[in-house]
Amino acid sequence: IAGITQAPTSQILAAGRRMTLRCTQDMRHNAMYWYRQDLGLGLRLIHYSNTAGTTGKGEVPDGYSVSRANTDDFPLTLASAVPSQTSVYFCASSDLDSNSPLHFGNGTRLTVT
Amino acid sequence: QKEVEQNSGPLSVPEGAIASLNCTYSDRVSQSFFWYRQYSGKSPELIMSIYSNGDKEDGRFTAQLNKASQYVSLLIRDSQPSDSATYLCAVNRDNFNKFYFGSGTKLNVKP
Repeated sequence: IAGITQAPTSQILAAGRRMTLRCTQDMRHNAMYWYRQDLGLGLRLIHYSNTAGTTGKGEVPDGYSVSRANTDDFPLTLASAVPSQTSVYFCASSDLDSNSPLHFGNGTRLTVT
Repeated sequence: QKEVEQNSGPLSVPEGAIASLNCTYSDRVSQSFFWYRQYSGKSPELIMSIYSNGDKEDGRFTAQLNKASQYVSLLIRDSQPSDSATYLCAVNRDNFNKFYFGSGTKLNVKP
């Protein structure tokens, strides 16, 4: 089934540890995104990539990094996790067309203790 | 001012009624507009998209767009308990390919 796969589904992480959230899509979409969703704050864009080899910062990029080595994969790395990064993380993708909607993965629930 | 604003709710309607969800956006250059439904603990799923002024109908759902007023709404006719979810309004500004989301309106449909 075509779509976006995120891993892990959930994770409990000690503060200060490094963590990479994985995201893979098989829809051949050019654009990929990472959002975090927090109660009362909605979905906030962390980083995005419009094509392989390029990335950009969203609203809340601090403490996160991304890479886009190929079209399908867009991992999100927390270099040194802090409790404020406790959130639900969604990876999404879309065609590079302003009329194209976002398609979301199932999310990763991350708890930083 | 937030890019996209929604009333957080909860909006409670009886089964069979029309639910009306509203959204305003701040940037006049916004090009495309989307409504997503998100069940608790799940990811957002697209239910409607609209790009030009007026109404767009799909089954029990109607999206309405008024660019002059910077307003987009979603009507759900014959509401069902299974429609109970949080509805997210999203706006895409051309040239940036960035989507801005409202914080969502929680809808409760009472049997």
